Amino acid sequence: DSGVTQTPKHLITATGQRVTLRCSPRSGDLSVYWYQQSLDQGLQFLIQYYNGEERAKGNILERFSAQQFPDLHSELNLSSLELGDSALYFCASSASAYSYEQYFGPGTRLTVT
Amino acid sequence: GQNIDQPTEMTATEGAIVQINCTYQTSGFNGLFWYQQHAGEAPTFLSYNVLDGLEEKGRFSSFLSRSKGYSYLLLKELQMKDSASYLCAVSDTGRRALTFGSGTRLQVQP
Repeated sequence: DSGVTQTPKHLITATGQRVTLRCSPRSGDLSVYWYQQSLDQGLQFLIQYYNGEERAKGNILERFSAQQFPDLHSELNLSSLELGDSALYFCASSASAYSYEQYFGPGTRLTVT
Repeated sequence: GQNIDQPTEMTATEGAIVQINCTYQTSGFNGLFWYQQHAGEAPTFLSYNVLDGLEEKGRFSSFLSRSKGYSYLLLKELQMKDSASYLCAVSDTGRRALTFGSGTRLQVQP
């Protein structure tokens, strides 16, 4: 158990819908990272927040957005869902703003039908 | 941009030694990481190299050559539970987020 929690574990929804994925980092960690892992793309970095502020941006679509709240939990919002958005979404946390060692949550498996 | 290459699949025998290679190209290098990921589970951190040389941690060792853009993960005394994907990832000086390779799926056979 990494100490990072993610909810929900599974999510099934239809195309065009909007969903919110939630992540709570390890106690004391200030950085949260979001990754998408699909079968054909591998693990892709989406976005990083550090202490409430956006720190780095990766291959995140405009339909996706994220935020980190004052209690340091983070949410990833996915809208206008497409079939290709079906994937495992991982959240990771680290103590500092840099990615020296990241601890991954169990992931949310999103299925878009 | 960054480019990371590692073999797609490898097979090895229980008790043996296996070396998983990773080559990378990056505009600014700030460290190389190895993660282990069992199917359907979260990646778990194995090692971090930022300077050239070998880092040893139990049955696992990781090597880095920055001038060659090359790293390897060495797994000794292989066990069946080592069957997993091994992900090579690079952190760059600019963004400092991790870019992952596609992973090497290792199958350990009896």
